[in-house]
Amino acid sequence: DGGITQSPKYLFRKEGQNVTLSCEQNLNHDAMYWYRQDPGQGLRLIYYSQIVNDFQKGDIAEGYSVSREKKESFPLTVTSAQKNPTAFYLCASSIEGQDYNEQFFGPGTRLTVL
Amino acid sequence: SQKIEQNSEALNIQEGKTATLTCNYTNYSPAYLQWYRQDPGRGPVFLLLIRENEKEKRKERLKVTFDTTLKQSLFHITASQPADSATYLCALYTGGFKTIFGAGTRLFVKA
Repeated sequence: DGGITQSPKYLFRKEGQNVTLSCEQNLNHDAMYWYRQDPGQGLRLIYYSQIVNDFQKGDIAEGYSVSREKKESFPLTVTSAQKNPTAFYLCASSIEGQDYNEQFFGPGTRLTVL
Repeated sequence: SQKIEQNSEALNIQEGKTATLTCNYTNYSPAYLQWYRQDPGRGPVFLLLIRENEKEKRKERLKVTFDTTLKQSLFHITASQPADSATYLCALYTGGFKTIFGAGTRLFVKA
């Protein structure tokens, strides 16, 4: 089955530690995204990537970093510089050239900072 | 800046009734408006979209309307079932790989 996988489902981190969230897709989509979801708020865009070896900051990129070395993979690192990292993180992809940009989401990773 | 508002209060309805959810937006004239379903602890799933030149769109028990004058979309689920219980997100594609999502409205359908 084609889709997006994220791991781990739950992640606990101590303050001051960096942590990396995994996102893999086998949909052959060029574009990939990372969103953050907090209670009572809409999804907020952290980073996105249109193609391999290219990525752009979204609305809340501070304290996060990404890489896109392979088409299938778009890992997100939450650094110690992120002041309030506890949230639900969603990875998504979309089809190139589609004019309405339907997003395909993974199951999410819930990060808790202790 | 662009803004999307959805009713933050949960909607509780009886099975078999029609659920109606509202999405209002400001400071933008989108060409497309999308609706997604999100179950607790899961990622959103695309349901359907409506274009600016379409007044109404249907898909099985779902119906979406789009009023570009009022800057509002209504999302209807007819003959609702307990399995329809979820959070429904409204989204606008603003171009340049950026989509704005509303916070969603939680729907509870009682048997």
